Amino acid sequence: DTGVSQDPRHKITKRGQNVTFRCDPISEHNRLYWYRQTLGQGPEFLTYFQNEAQLEKSRLLSDRFSAERPKGSFSTLEIQRTEQGDSAMYLCASSFMGIQSEAFFGQGTRLTVV
Amino acid sequence: GENVGLHLPTLSVQEGDNSIINCAYSNSASDYFIWYKQESGKGPQFIIDIRSNMDKRQGQRVTVLLNKTVKHLSLQIAATQPGDSAVYFCAEKKIQGAQKLVFGQGTRLTINP
Repeated sequence: DTGVSQDPRHKITKRGQNVTFRCDPISEHNRLYWYRQTLGQGPEFLTYFQNEAQLEKSRLLSDRFSAERPKGSFSTLEIQRTEQGDSAMYLCASSFMGIQSEAFFGQGTRLTVV
Repeated sequence: GENVGLHLPTLSVQEGDNSIINCAYSNSASDYFIWYKQESGKGPQFIIDIRSNMDKRQGQRVTVLLNKTVKHLSLQIAATQPGDSAVYFCAEKKIQGAQKLVFGQGTRLTINP
């Protein structure tokens, strides 16, 4: 296991289309997080899973966004009816449960909505 | 709202010099403070963290200082190398709940040869 893997690395889509991103966390990690990062800003929390349960969603996560983590392994983040404002880097991170547990980030999926 | 921010957006230092990156935070209820390094095209990489009940913690070439009185966090990098060039973010998290990271805006560190 070489770390958190995200696919695709880059995605260009037309406004109004749906897109889906995948994250494969470090296999032993039970927590998985999604963040969004715009240029020049720090990542912002979107949602997180503990095993297969989605336990918290940010207000940033509109109804057009949905995330799943079936079987508590990989996760998908879907954006429906994309808007130009959705253009950002979408980062996935995983960790063990516990305050001292380090979060490991993937390389992100850069989404451009044209 | 609660904010984790940085004083300087950019910092340039000569190779071999020490650098100090600063961060101000406003949420005194945070339990952990963490520094991340982000290189171009990559996700953030953990550098070092510090619990809220500590003042100082040292790692390899890095030291984090926490001043809770003035809600200030700093990252000191000793003997900087070209590979230290990156954007550095401070972040905070709480013990309760999601333990999600709240990031600041970042400081771009450039190491000049």
